[in-house]
Amino acid sequence: LAKTTQPISMDSYEGQEVNITCSHNNIATNDYITWYQQFPSQGPRFIIQGYKTKVTNEVASLFIPADRKSSTLSLPRVSLSDTAVYYCLVGDVGGYQKVTFGTGTKLQVIP
Amino acid sequence: DSGVTQTPKHLITATGQRVTLRCSPRSGDLSVYWYQQSLDQGLQFLIHYYNGEERAKGNILERFSAQQFPDLHSELNLSSLELGDSALYFCASSVADGRRQFFGPGTRLTVL
Repeated sequence: LAKTTQPISMDSYEGQEVNITCSHNNIATNDYITWYQQFPSQGPRFIIQGYKTKVTNEVASLFIPADRKSSTLSLPRVSLSDTAVYYCLVGDVGGYQKVTFGTGTKLQVIP
Repeated sequence: DSGVTQTPKHLITATGQRVTLRCSPRSGDLSVYWYQQSLDQGLQFLIHYYNGEERAKGNILERFSAQQFPDLHSELNLSSLELGDSALYFCASSVADGRRQFFGPGTRLTVL
């Protein structure tokens, strides 16, 4: 699996847009990029997944440049309930056989 | 609710003991994954089963073992427990390709 690098922590005020970037320089052709959210003492929850360009769903957007060596999770107008750890994963569609979550980015939303 | 169930929710035991954690995947999911998360740590992948067969091993200790049964539920067995085994243990399931994993609520293991 491609190794990923994310900022350890970020702070943001309520109502602001938050962008969390993940670097994955050795991403492979078959790899997808997936983001999960985890609240304390809970299992991670799928947020969004993409292969290239831009993906948007009801909670977030995912921007992937043409070279796919990085990706940016965008959370619009965050609220206090978005305070959580966000993990970026990169892996083969055919099998997340060895899964590496890494340390994630701890997002703190400030009132 | 992810549809993945784990039992028990909490488990307190002593060093040297053996415990079994149970996971029932979402209906229709063939893959089951086990993870360990120690306090303020990231998730450590332990093992992956697909339709009853072991597919991949991560950083799983020899004292730990797992299996997936014909009805697709899975059990994680932890033996000769040590203080350092205290952690949250998560199970996740997915359809065959593993593209999106659904996590259970976890089992919190405390070894005294």
